[in-house]
Amino acid sequence: LAKTTQPISMDSYEGQEVNITCSHNNIATNDYITWYQQFPSQGPRFIIQGYKTKVTNEVASLFIPADRKSSTLSLPRVSLSDTAVYYCLVGSGYSSASKIIFGSGTRLSIRP
Amino acid sequence: DTAVSQTPKYLVTQMGNDKSIKCEQNLGHDTMYWYKQDSKKFLKIMFSYNNKELIINETVPNRFSPKSPDKAHLNLHINSLELGDSAVYFCASSQVRTDTQYFGPGTRLTVL
Repeated sequence: LAKTTQPISMDSYEGQEVNITCSHNNIATNDYITWYQQFPSQGPRFIIQGYKTKVTNEVASLFIPADRKSSTLSLPRVSLSDTAVYYCLVGSGYSSASKIIFGSGTRLSIRP
Repeated sequence: DTAVSQTPKYLVTQMGNDKSIKCEQNLGHDTMYWYKQDSKKFLKIMFSYNNKELIINETVPNRFSPKSPDKAHLNLHINSLELGDSAVYFCASSQVRTDTQYFGPGTRLTVL
């Protein structure tokens, strides 16, 4: 199974760029890498998804090296409202629900 | 308009009882999921359901049974509730199994 490992917590300041890395050494060929954001008392919300190289949207960028054994979520110029838990998800979910695996999450705290 | 809704939002019950949590999505998605988030915030998938195909995470006790009356609904029925079942349960949906998942607001279950 493609288990994922993330830092438990990170701190940063408003206006800074924040990079959160997720390790997934056993990622399978069919697996995608997806990042979600979760605020307290809410369900996770999709941020970005990628398979390889770099993906960018209006919210974040996702960097995936050639070996795909890790990925980095990059949040440009964070604000207080970016304080949340960020989850890395690896999976394709085709044949087994247990193949959809969320990481333990990184609690990001943004300070003024 | 709520994309993925769950009822109830809070559920407090005694050990040994049977309870159900309802989930509805109005996104026209083909795949729905149930997740359990424990006190340590680990998100673990329990089931995914796609066009009458149920994919079960083998670690889920058979006291948990999902029921899908139609494509827009995936309810979770739990028999003989135990203390360890206390958690937040999230429903989610996606167009296909590899696609972005949209999560509901969660149901906080407390077993006394």
